[in-house]
Amino acid sequence: ETGVTQTPRHLVMGMTNKKSLKCEQHLGHNAMYWYKQSAKKPLELMFVYNFKEQTENNSVPSRFSPECPNSSHLFLHLHTLQPEDSALYLCASSQESGTGTPYEQYFGPGTRLTVT
Amino acid sequence: GNSVTQMEGPVTLSEEAFLTINCTYTATGYPSLFWYVQYPGEGLQLLLKATKADDKGSNKGFEATYRKETTSFHLEKGSVQVSDSAVYFCALTFSGGYNKLIFGAGTRLAVHP
Repeated sequence: ETGVTQTPRHLVMGMTNKKSLKCEQHLGHNAMYWYKQSAKKPLELMFVYNFKEQTENNSVPSRFSPECPNSSHLFLHLHTLQPEDSALYLCASSQESGTGTPYEQYFGPGTRLTVT
Repeated sequence: GNSVTQMEGPVTLSEEAFLTINCTYTATGYPSLFWYVQYPGEGLQLLLKATKADDKGSNKGFEATYRKETTSFHLEKGSVQVSDSAVYFCALTFSGGYNKLIFGAGTRLAVHP
């Protein structure tokens, strides 16, 4: 148990559906991340929130919409997805000091998303 | 650009065999290097890290040495166990700003009794 939880663990949705993924961290961290993990590809960083402000949007299509209402919660809102969006979506958090020293990221177990 | 290249898996070993998983990187500066491990059905966990050249990271019998001259960070373990079966990811990041990790594609390790 890493202190980062994600719900749901599995999600099947049609291309016209709207759904949301939820991530919660219980570690008191100030930065949160969304990653996409596809088969046989490196993890892709999608979004970064630092002190609740979005500091990175890694050219992610607009059908993915992140929301960070506070430093403990992170959402990924999904709409009109494509079958190629099927993947494992991982949330992570870390405590950033502002001095630039890279600290460990703690990952949740992921949401396995299947788009039909 | 910055990137990480890992040996393709799967790597299949018998229990107590010696493990090496190769990792090389391309970077414009001097990154910190990490190995993360992902057990079945779980998220990634930090296994070890090294923040400067010649540093050796170690944890749970695993070791990796930051080699600037060969831009490598190979993961080794002297005697693997069945419980080490997992996917291993090499990653790098730079100091300054937030922690943007760049991952390799991952190497699956299967250890048989």
